[in-house]
Amino acid sequence: DQQVKQNSPSLSVQEGRISILNCDYTNSMFDYFLWYKKYPAEGPTFLISISSIKDKNEDGRFTVFLNKSAKHLSLHIVPSQPGDSAVYFCAARAGGTSYGKLTFGQGTILTVHP
Amino acid sequence: DGGITQSPKYLFRKEGQNVTLSCEQNLNHDAMYWYRQDPGQGLRLIYYSQIVNDFQKGDIAEGYSVSREKKESFPLTVTSAQKNPTAFYLCASSAFIHLNTEAFFGQGTRLTVV
Repeated sequence: DQQVKQNSPSLSVQEGRISILNCDYTNSMFDYFLWYKKYPAEGPTFLISISSIKDKNEDGRFTVFLNKSAKHLSLHIVPSQPGDSAVYFCAARAGGTSYGKLTFGQGTILTVHP
Repeated sequence: DGGITQSPKYLFRKEGQNVTLSCEQNLNHDAMYWYRQDPGQGLRLIYYSQIVNDFQKGDIAEGYSVSREKKESFPLTVTSAQKNPTAFYLCASSAFIHLNTEAFFGQGTRLTVV
């Protein structure tokens, strides 16, 4: 039972354009959502998060949008840079649980072309 | 520098042998976690520990064992009972449950059974 899904295995974008990565979830108990970036053979690094009481959170070029009614969140990267090329994981946490007890999506490989 | 150190980076094991993966953190985090990543899949939780001398099973604990004798250390043993041990293993840590923070990950250990 995949509670967090990233339905696009890969995304290719031109440098300077917007990258939009999508994530859907099914568990209504999730109240905190995170995006991690990962390079091959390395650990994930935290990018940005959003609490279920908000619908948008920005940090520089990264913005996460949350649509609770649709159980959908998205990560926007504007403008995209070649250094953004990596695997992006969406993760979710249920309320009242430990902060690292996360459920991850399958990941989306982002490639930004110069 | 504060962080999470996993060792070794690469590990080879013969079938039928137990092997222990090391994870040490100096972030003063109370909670620690072990995740497994397989190709094309997201991270899946193996075990987690919120305080010293206590730990809980995650989603895929069968064939694994852990200990938490010190706050800084959370070693994972992959036993011979684990049917498909070849994978990328990631250790993470996080602060108290009531602090709004994310989980930090180590650089991972790639285990290959030969």
